[in-house]
Amino acid sequence: DTEVTQTPKHLVMGMTNKKSLKCEQHMGHRAMYWYKQKAKKPPELMFVYSYEKLSINESVPSRFSPECPNSSLLNLHLHALQPEDSALYLCASSSPRANQPQHFGDGTRLSIL
Amino acid sequence: AQSVTQPDIHITVSEGASLELRCNYSYGATPYLFWYVQSPGQGLQLLLKYFSGDTLVQGIKGFEAEFKRSQSSFNLRKPSVHWSDAAEYFCAVGPLNTGFQKLVFGTGTRLLVSP
Repeated sequence: DTEVTQTPKHLVMGMTNKKSLKCEQHMGHRAMYWYKQKAKKPPELMFVYSYEKLSINESVPSRFSPECPNSSLLNLHLHALQPEDSALYLCASSSPRANQPQHFGDGTRLSIL
Repeated sequence: AQSVTQPDIHITVSEGASLELRCNYSYGATPYLFWYVQSPGQGLQLLLKYFSGDTLVQGIKGFEAEFKRSQSSFNLRKPSVHWSDAAEYFCAVGPLNTGFQKLVFGTGTRLLVSP
C-alpha cells in the first residue's frame, strides 16, 4: 500500500480546461516533489517543495503551477496544456534529512485531447 | 554533473534463474544510491538504498545490491527470479542537499521473466 495518495488516478482534459492534481502524505515528510514520466522513460523532476517553500523549478512551463498549502498536501494546477503534456505525473515525499529515500505515489495518468 | 548509466534496456531471465542488473554512476563523491522498481501503471517502489557502511545492502523482495567504489557501480541482484519480478527497474543517485533530494535516475532496465 502506498503512503502517498494521488488523485485522480486518471484525467482526460481538453487543451482549454483547467484542472488540478492532488497529492497527500501523512508521514510527516517536509519535502514533496512532482515528477513527469513519459512512457518507457525515467521520471523527470518538475518541482521540489521543502518546508512548504518552492525550492526547485526545473524550468517547467507556466501552464503547470504547483502549490503546497500545508506540509501534507501538494497540488499541481494545470491550464492550457498541450498534447505533449500527456504523461504519468508522480508525486513523492521525503524526510528533510538527505539520507532518507523518496516515497512515491501511484501517479495520475493525464491525457490531453 | 551527476549521471547514472543502466546499460541494459531489456533483460530476459527464466523464472528461478539468478538476476543481475547493472548500474554505473558518475559523481564527485560517494553519493546516496537507490534502486526503485515500477510495475505497469504504478508508482516507484524503493527496493533498497546505500548511504555508507557495509557495501552489500539487503532490500525487500529478496533483492540485494553491492556498492563498488572502484568501479562506480551499484548492481542489483536476486538469486532466484519470480514471475512477479517482471517490471521496470531504475537506479538513482541522490546527491546531498539541504532538506530534500534531487534524484538523478538511470534510463531504466525492463525485466522480462520467461516461464
